[in-house]
Amino acid sequence: DTEVTQTPKHLVMGMTNKKSLKCEQHMGHRAMYWYKQKAKKPPELMFVYSYEKLSINESVPSRFSPECPNSSLLNLHLHALQPEDSALYLCASSPLAGGSGELFFGEGSRLTVL
Amino acid sequence: AQSVAQPEDQVNVAEGNPLTVKCTYSVSGNPYLFWYVQYPNRGLQFLLKYITGDNLVKGSYGFEAEFNKSQTSFHLKKPSALVSDSALYFCAVSALGGSARQLTFGSGTQLTVLP
Repeated sequence: DTEVTQTPKHLVMGMTNKKSLKCEQHMGHRAMYWYKQKAKKPPELMFVYSYEKLSINESVPSRFSPECPNSSLLNLHLHALQPEDSALYLCASSPLAGGSGELFFGEGSRLTVL
Repeated sequence: AQSVAQPEDQVNVAEGNPLTVKCTYSVSGNPYLFWYVQYPNRGLQFLLKYITGDNLVKGSYGFEAEFNKSQTSFHLKKPSALVSDSALYFCAVSALGGSARQLTFGSGTQLTVLP
């Protein structure tokens, strides 16, 4: 069982909707990540938060807006998405100090944009 | 720059036979190497990692991997495959090991274990 919890598991939205994906971890990790994954492809890094501050934005379109309210929570706000944004969105966490790069992934939120 | 190659998109093996999923890497400095597995409609699960020490690393579910510095390889192995091992496997490398923003994934290998 994963210790990174993502909700919702499935989301269908229209191109004009506003929705949010949520991620929670209680492992005390101070780095949290959003990845996008298309079917049968490797995950693509979107955002990295370190100590609740955005440290990496991999040139992600502004229709994706991340938020890290505290050290346990990570949100991804979605607005005016395109059908090509349909994918599995994975949240991950890792320790910072003393970590070895190992990531702990959630089960993902499968997004369909109509 | 760092990179990972998984030369086989698909590996088929009969149940009970040994399996190997290949991975080669390119990185400056000492590599931190990882294997993850993904079952259908699930997230990625960590299998094992190589940081330093013994070249043979043992991980979850009976999997192991052999680090070969001269061949820059980190192949995943299991002595006896199970049908339940059928999944998508990703090799990943990190140059510094402490920052996942430098974690680079291979393209993935679909493993099918035939009953």
